[in-house]
Amino acid sequence: LAKTTQPISMDSYEGQEVNITCSHNNIATNDYITWYQQFPSQGPRFIIQGYKTKVTNEVASLFIPADRKSSTLSLPRVSLSDTAVYYCLVGEDSGYSTLTFGKGTMLLVSP
Amino acid sequence: GAGVSQSPSNKVTEKGKDVELRCDPISGHTALYWYRQSLGQGLEFLIYFQGNSAPDKSGLPSDRFSAERTGGSVSTLTIQRTQQEDSAVYLCASSLQPRGSTTNEKLFFGSGTQLSVL
Repeated sequence: LAKTTQPISMDSYEGQEVNITCSHNNIATNDYITWYQQFPSQGPRFIIQGYKTKVTNEVASLFIPADRKSSTLSLPRVSLSDTAVYYCLVGEDSGYSTLTFGKGTMLLVSP
Repeated sequence: GAGVSQSPSNKVTEKGKDVELRCDPISGHTALYWYRQSLGQGLEFLIYFQGNSAPDKSGLPSDRFSAERTGGSVSTLTIQRTQQEDSAVYLCASSLQPRGSTTNEKLFFGSGTQLSVL
């Protein structure tokens, strides 16, 4: 199983860059790395996905080192509305994916 | 519709009653997932449907839980003889890609059904 480990919580202030790192030591060759964001009373929302190196979209950047055993979600200039739980997911190596969500990282952005 | 729709948004029931939760996935999405999220916890996988294939029921916590998907679209999750520990948010998600695809697998979630068992 490609289990993931990420910090339980992080604190930041408006305007700062936030980096959330996820460890996935047992990631398989075909697995993608996906990050989701969840606000209270809502289902998770896809943020970004990558396989290697760097991926950037209008919301975030995802940095993946060559060994792919970790990944870092980077949120530039966070605002109060970025307060949410962030989940890091990788597929499992059986060709099946139950897309296991851990407890995620609770990011609290303060004024 | 534009997104995954779940109903009801809230359900309060008495212990021992049966409940049905409904999910309307995004049109054209062949993969459908049910998850459960207890307060302050991550998402717990329950069941997966892909097209007309037999569902993966490996995450269902007991035989009181069942789900079906009619016509490859709408899905219903049924909990029989509800218990207080069944209280949670039940989330449905759909995906254009089948589970385990070598291409990107992106899930779209509904807002969930908050189930409270008294």
